[in-house]
Amino acid sequence: AQTVTQSQPEMSVQEAETVTLSCTYDTSESNYYLFWYKQPPSRQMILVIRQEAYKQQNATENRFSVNFQKAAKSFSLKISDSQLGDTAMYFCASLFKNAGNMLTFGGGTRLMVKP
Amino acid sequence: DTGVSQDPRHKITKRGQNVTFRCDPISEHNRLYWYRQTLGQGPEFLTYFQNEAQLEKSRLLSDRFSAERPKGSFSTLEIQRTEQGDSAMYLCASSFNRGADTQYFGPGTRLTVL
Repeated sequence: AQTVTQSQPEMSVQEAETVTLSCTYDTSESNYYLFWYKQPPSRQMILVIRQEAYKQQNATENRFSVNFQKAAKSFSLKISDSQLGDTAMYFCASLFKNAGNMLTFGGGTRLMVKP
Repeated sequence: DTGVSQDPRHKITKRGQNVTFRCDPISEHNRLYWYRQTLGQGPEFLTYFQNEAQLEKSRLLSDRFSAERPKGSFSTLEIQRTEQGDSAMYLCASSFNRGADTQYFGPGTRLTVL
């Protein structure tokens, strides 16, 4: 079975600072993708960033970047220049192409950006 | 691109009643997924369709749950004889079967069973 673990239930950061959210996963598959989704309070799930496991280069989307350590099965999300609108639940998720196409989510990290 | 839509957004029902939810995916997406999310947890996969074919069902999907996607466009999720444990957010997502198969989510239907 595939598992995704987020070890930080809650985090906080001051506006304009940088924060890193952790995620580890467990799989024996070789063909997979990793995602970070953001779910603001009472709002829908939004894709933040994705990483193809076969790519060595870490994905970057504006202020969001990942640190993908394939051997360690680690996939952390770095948010630079944090903004109040970044306050949300953040979910790490995996998709294994040879084990169905469903997303397997971690338990989430609640991020609070403080002014 | 209007995004994934779900209807209704909220549903309150009494235990034992049947409920049906609808999901309209992004128009060019051929895959459609249903997930369930309880408060403070990550979503859990229920089932998914490629076009009109239901390809995967989770063990979470008991016999009281049924999903359809009759013409490969919108999908319905029906829960029969609802129980209080069915109270959750039901999320729909869609994707186009290519590459990362990135799934885009709708706003969800929040079900409360009294």
